[in-house]
Amino acid sequence: DAKTTQPNSMESNEEEPVHLPCNHSTISGTDYIHWYRQLPSQGPEYVIHGLTSNVNNRMASLAIAEDRKSSTLILHRATLRDAAVYYCILRDVYTGGFKTIFGAGTRLFVKA
Amino acid sequence: GAVVSQHPSRVICKSGTSVKIECRSLDFQATTMFWYRQFPKKSLMLMATSNEGSKATYEQGVEKDKFLINHASLTLSTLTVTSAHPEDSSFYICSAQLNEKLFFGSGTQLSVL
Repeated sequence: DAKTTQPNSMESNEEEPVHLPCNHSTISGTDYIHWYRQLPSQGPEYVIHGLTSNVNNRMASLAIAEDRKSSTLILHRATLRDAAVYYCILRDVYTGGFKTIFGAGTRLFVKA
Repeated sequence: GAVVSQHPSRVICKSGTSVKIECRSLDFQATTMFWYRQFPKKSLMLMATSNEGSKATYEQGVEKDKFLINHASLTLSTLTVTSAHPEDSSFYICSAQLNEKLFFGSGTQLSVL
């Protein structure tokens, strides 16, 4: 699986939007871009994923660069419950059952 | 959404004993499950890929005889930490795949005294 690079940490104020960047310059054409987040003492949870087009769901939006070498997870209004570690990972479309490697992720701090 | 149940959530055991951790996909069948280990403030480290009906594939550096994985059905995978020692103390997490997404258990905090 191709590697991803994320900032170690970011800080946001409550009720403000948050843009979490991810670089994946070695992404292949068959890699999905996935985002997961992990709250303290819990297993990760799925946030969003996409292939080429931008995606929206109830939790967040995913903006994918035209060359697919980077993406941004957008939380439209951060809440204290959004404080977590956010992981950007790549998963192959065809070998989706193949192992998934997690990078260091971005620890998001949300200030009240 | 899909649910993955992991038990126990916390276990304390004496050095030398074995501990079994269960991972169940409650509302879907999972041909493939993954086992991760996580140390405090660190990322998830993949230990092995568990395939239903066949042997697990272990990552380099993970002892097969130490961490026994069984995936006997499409909804259950187990991880047994054999002869546990204090250095095995960690947070263990399982995940199962449904379509393109991964669903994770809530994790098991293992403390070996």
